[in-house]
Amino acid sequence: GQNIDQPTEMTATEGAIVQINCTYQTSGFNGLFWYQQHAGEAPTFLSYNVLDGLEEKGRFSSFLSRSKGYSYLLLKELQMKDSASYLCAVRDSNYQLIWGAGTKLIIKP
Amino acid sequence: ETGVTQTPRHLVMGMTNKKSLKCEQHLGHNAMYWYKQSAKKPLELMFVYNFKEQTENNSVPSRFSPECPNSSHLFLHLHTLQPEDSALYLCASSQDASGPYNEQFFGPGTRLTVL
Repeated sequence: GQNIDQPTEMTATEGAIVQINCTYQTSGFNGLFWYQQHAGEAPTFLSYNVLDGLEEKGRFSSFLSRSKGYSYLLLKELQMKDSASYLCAVRDSNYQLIWGAGTKLIIKP
Repeated sequence: ETGVTQTPRHLVMGMTNKKSLKCEQHLGHNAMYWYKQSAKKPLELMFVYNFKEQTENNSVPSRFSPECPNSSHLFLHLHTLQPEDSALYLCASSQDASGPYNEQFFGPGTRLTVL
């Protein structure tokens, strides 16, 4: 079966750095997405990786290793507004998105 | 604002009621999706429409019936629902349902409670 694993919850301190991991087992691979979802709101797109390596976008970076079936989202200089759930999703060979259950990130002052 | 709107935002219905959820996208996209989001579970893809044609139906019970009259509008008709159907129903759209890069844009969702 297809599976996406990510930690259920993480806690970090304002101003610090946090890394949210995602491992996947899917039938084929056509890209990996990270989305942010604040409570009661729509998921919003953060990043897309299809080749191995690091993609940097401001305070957020996303890394992919296709051989290891592994990605991480790195958040730097954490702000209180970064408290949200972070969803990892992989596009399989049929171009269907397979979603993880999300990681709830709690930022403490 | 993501360019995808959903109404109503909240809905409470009995098991014998019939109701419809509406989604509209203002992005000129050709693909639209219905997802179910339950607490602490992955997003469950329910239906996909690409260029108004239904391309995916992930074993969704027949008490959920989608309708896509054009590329901008998507409906989810509900009837004889069960309490376990209570969840957040999200609509999304993308340029196309296939292809190398297809960021999906989500609406705010409809919080459904079945009594």
